[in-house]
Amino acid sequence: EDQVTQSPEALRLQEGESSSLNCSYTVSGLRGLFWYRQDPGKGPEFLFTLYSAGEEKEKERLKATLTKKESFLHITAPKPEDSATYLCAVQAGVTGGGNKLTFGTGTQLKVEL
Amino acid sequence: NAGVTQTPKFRVLKTGQSMTLLCAQDMNHEYMYWYRQDPGMGLRLIHYSVGEGTTAKGEVPDGYNVSRLKKQNFLLGLESAAPSQTSVYFCASSYDLQGWHIQYFGAGTRLSVL
Repeated sequence: EDQVTQSPEALRLQEGESSSLNCSYTVSGLRGLFWYRQDPGKGPEFLFTLYSAGEEKEKERLKATLTKKESFLHITAPKPEDSATYLCAVQAGVTGGGNKLTFGTGTQLKVEL
Repeated sequence: NAGVTQTPKFRVLKTGQSMTLLCAQDMNHEYMYWYRQDPGMGLRLIHYSVGEGTTAKGEVPDGYNVSRLKKQNFLLGLESAAPSQTSVYFCASSYDLQGWHIQYFGAGTRLSVL
């Protein structure tokens, strides 16, 4: 059974204080790892997809990295508008069944002035 | 460009009542999904569809039915609502890009069953 564990559950940062969110996974052949951002009362918004160990992707203050067992979402010099819940999900490399994702429970990030 | 639209946004039901949640996407995606999101549980897949006229069970299908009569629409039905179905429901859609997908989500339907 595919599993995704995110840590910490909640993180409070001061503006400009860099940190990292962790996503550990076990999956039967990773096809892709996804990071989403979810604001209160809204649906998840796609951020990144990583496909193989060693891959990195960046978007503004966010950088996602991938190893064979985990992914990190690095937040550099965060701003209050980065406050949100960040979700990690994995897609297993099985044929058929469309694109079923297994989600973690998320990290709730709060960035304060 | 609406993307994925869910209706209604909020609903309160009494135990035993029925209702249908509508999901519509305008991106011509083949694949559509229904999830529920509960505190501490993450997003869990209820049912999904890999194309018009097809449906399949996900992780937590009991108590729900779905239909995909048109490519752009995916309906989620509750025949006899139970308090355990109080949740936030999200619809998503995706397309197959050489085996890889990105799922795009709607804004959600908040359902309370009393």
